[in-house]
Amino acid sequence: NAGVTQTPKFQVLKTGQSMTLQCAQDMNHNSMYWYRQDPGMGLRLIYYSASEGTTDKGEVPNGYNVSRLNKREFSLRLESAAPSQTSVYFCASRPSGGSEQFFGPGTRLTVL
Amino acid sequence: GENVEQHPSTLSVQEGDSAVIKCTYSDSASNYFPWYKQELGKGPQLIIDIRSNVGEKKDQRIAVTLNKTAKHFSLHITETQPEDSAVYFCAASKVATGTASKLTFGTGTRLQVTL
Repeated sequence: NAGVTQTPKFQVLKTGQSMTLQCAQDMNHNSMYWYRQDPGMGLRLIYYSASEGTTDKGEVPNGYNVSRLNKREFSLRLESAAPSQTSVYFCASRPSGGSEQFFGPGTRLTVL
Repeated sequence: GENVEQHPSTLSVQEGDSAVIKCTYSDSASNYFPWYKQELGKGPQLIIDIRSNVGEKKDQRIAVTLNKTAKHFSLHITETQPEDSAVYFCAASKVATGTASKLTFGTGTRLQVTL
């Protein structure tokens, strides 16, 4: 049982490049989330998916898109990366009927 | 939307002393208040949580208190140990059946336990 996995662990992009951050969970959880973590600002919700087939914007969705590919996988796409998107990105999942969110190990992204 | 404020941003205590971290929230409809611990290079991990129908909860050296009237909740760590050194986040959420139950996080407290 790997829990929540994220790939890649580290990534460096140039301004304007695109990339997709991958997240998968093997706990059969319904809800999945993408957060970004910046110094002094805690974790801020980018997008979330309450269940397979649905996605909704969080607090800071601009510049991002998401895909809930199936129940296991929830990807985050940056279409045209900007230096302001330099951050650590965390994916999380939550079981139906439960309250706890389980976090992955994070992806550290630098945009030059 | 919900707003969560957390204090202090940094806290240094000697091993064996107690540590207290405080949070306030703005949305009176919030009913779930978890605390997460984040070690260096890792994702946050839940250490304790409390629901709005309970005033206090304890798990070994960790306790959380909730004052719904004042809209604040606190994390108490007693007999601190070096392995308690980490960043701690409070959060608030409206948990309801069939919803995504989004968490709003505080800005974090870096706790350092010195020998």
